[in-house]
Amino acid sequence: QVQLQESGPGLVKPSETLSLTCTVSGGSISSYYWSWIRQPPGKGLEWIGHIYYSGSTNYNPSLKSRVTISIDTSKNQFSLKLGSVTAADTAVYYCARAPPYCSGGSCYPNWFHPWGQGTLVTVSS
Amino acid sequence: SYELTQPPSVSVSPGQTASITCSGDKLDNKYACWYQQKPGQSPVLVIYQDNKRPSWIPERFSGSNSGSTATLTISGTQAMDEADYYCQAWDSSTSVVFGGGTKLTVL
Repeated sequence: QVQLQESGPGLVKPSETLSLTCTVSGGSISSYYWSWIRQPPGKGLEWIGHIYYSGSTNYNPSLKSRVTISIDTSKNQFSLKLGSVTAADTAVYYCARAPPYCSGGSCYPNWFHPWGQGTLVTVSS
Repeated sequence: SYELTQPPSVSVSPGQTASITCSGDKLDNKYACWYQQKPGQSPVLVIYQDNKRPSWIPERFSGSNSGSTATLTISGTQAMDEADYYCQAWDSSTSVVFGGGTKLTVL
C-alpha cells in the first residue's frame, strides 16, 4: 500500500526557512492531492496547504505569504518550504494524501489517508 | 473564515455509546470526515464523506451529518478507542478546516 515518509532538518533557526520533503512509495503520485499538515506540541491539527499532481497549489490563508509547496513527479516526492519561521512554527509536520472530490466544476481534497509518521521541527537558536 | 467546533472532552464507560459532535455553519452542505489520533501516532481516518467507514475501521464506528452538526458515534466503546478525535471539512473560502479536537476518555 502507499506509504509516505517525511524528511528534513529537525532544528531550524528563527527567521530562516523550514524545508521538508515527503517521499511517496508503493504507488504513483498522480491523480491525488498531496498535503502538509502540522500539529504544535499538545495542540490540534492545522492544514498548511496542498499541491495537486498537476502542480496547482492551495495554501492556508494564515500561512500563505510564507509557504511554498512543490512536487517532483519523477522522484515521487513533494516538498514544503516555510519562510521566516518563529518559535510558533515548532510542530510535528505531517504529509498526507487526499483523493479529489469534484462538484460544480470545482475539485478539492476530500479526506486524508494515508499520513506520514510525522517529523518534529523545532525552531530555536 | 470557516470554523468547526468540537467539545474538548467526552467521557464514556466501557461498552456504552460515545458521541462526539462537530459544529459548523451549514455543515450538512459539506462533507465531514473524522480522524482518530492516539498519543505519539499519526492521525488515522475513521469516517469519510459523513458516514462512510474505511475497511480497516471496526463497525462500531459510524458517522452522520445533519443541519450544522456532524456526529461521530462509537457503539460498544472499548478501552482501545481512547484517543483524540478530529473532524475535518472543506470550505471554499478557508479550504481545509479541522475542528479543535476532542479527547475521548473511556473510564
